[in-house]
Amino acid sequence: AQTVTQSQPEMSVQEAETVTLSCTYDTSESDYYLFWYKQPPSRQMILVIRQEAYKQQNATENRFSVNFQKAAKSFSLKISDSQLGDAAMYFCAYRRTSGSRLTFGEGTQLTVNP
Amino acid sequence: GAGVSQSPSNKVTEKGKDVELRCDPISGHTALYWYRQSLGQGLEFLIYFQGNSAPDKSGLPSDRFSAERTGGSVSTLTIQRTQQEDSAVYLCASSLGARGQGPGEQFFGPGTRLTVL
Repeated sequence: AQTVTQSQPEMSVQEAETVTLSCTYDTSESDYYLFWYKQPPSRQMILVIRQEAYKQQNATENRFSVNFQKAAKSFSLKISDSQLGDAAMYFCAYRRTSGSRLTFGEGTQLTVNP
Repeated sequence: GAGVSQSPSNKVTEKGKDVELRCDPISGHTALYWYRQSLGQGLEFLIYFQGNSAPDKSGLPSDRFSAERTGGSVSTLTIQRTQQEDSAVYLCASSLGARGQGPGEQFFGPGTRLTVL
């Protein structure tokens, strides 16, 4: 079975600074997708960024980028120029290419200090 | 509406009562998912519907839980004889396409917070 682990229950960052959230996963599959979702207090899960395992190039979306290390099964999220609106719970998630369900990590609560 | 909607937003019930939670997916999305988010268990998959195929019920925690999807659109998650451990946020998501067809981004609704007294 696939598992996703986020070892940082809480993180904090100063506004305009950079923060990295960690995620590791375990799978025997060679092809899969990885995601970072953001969940603000409104409870609405919002996709931040995704990575296809077969792509070596790290995905980027504006201020958000990932460091995907397939051999190490690591998938960290870097947020640059942090903004107050980035404060939320962040979930790392995994999905098999041939599958449907998402497997989530425990989440990291990010606080952005002004 | 443009996004996934869920109702009610909050539901308080007494132990032993039945509850129904509703999900309206994004129009045209053939796949629909239910997840449960609780303090003790994190985010867990419950059930998955894809078109007219038999649903994947492998995540349902007990036979008190059931779900249906009528006409390939609206879905209802039913919990019978609710227990206090059923208290959680129930999230619904929908996506385009079938499994294996691309990343299949799942769009989530705002969830229903269920409290069982």
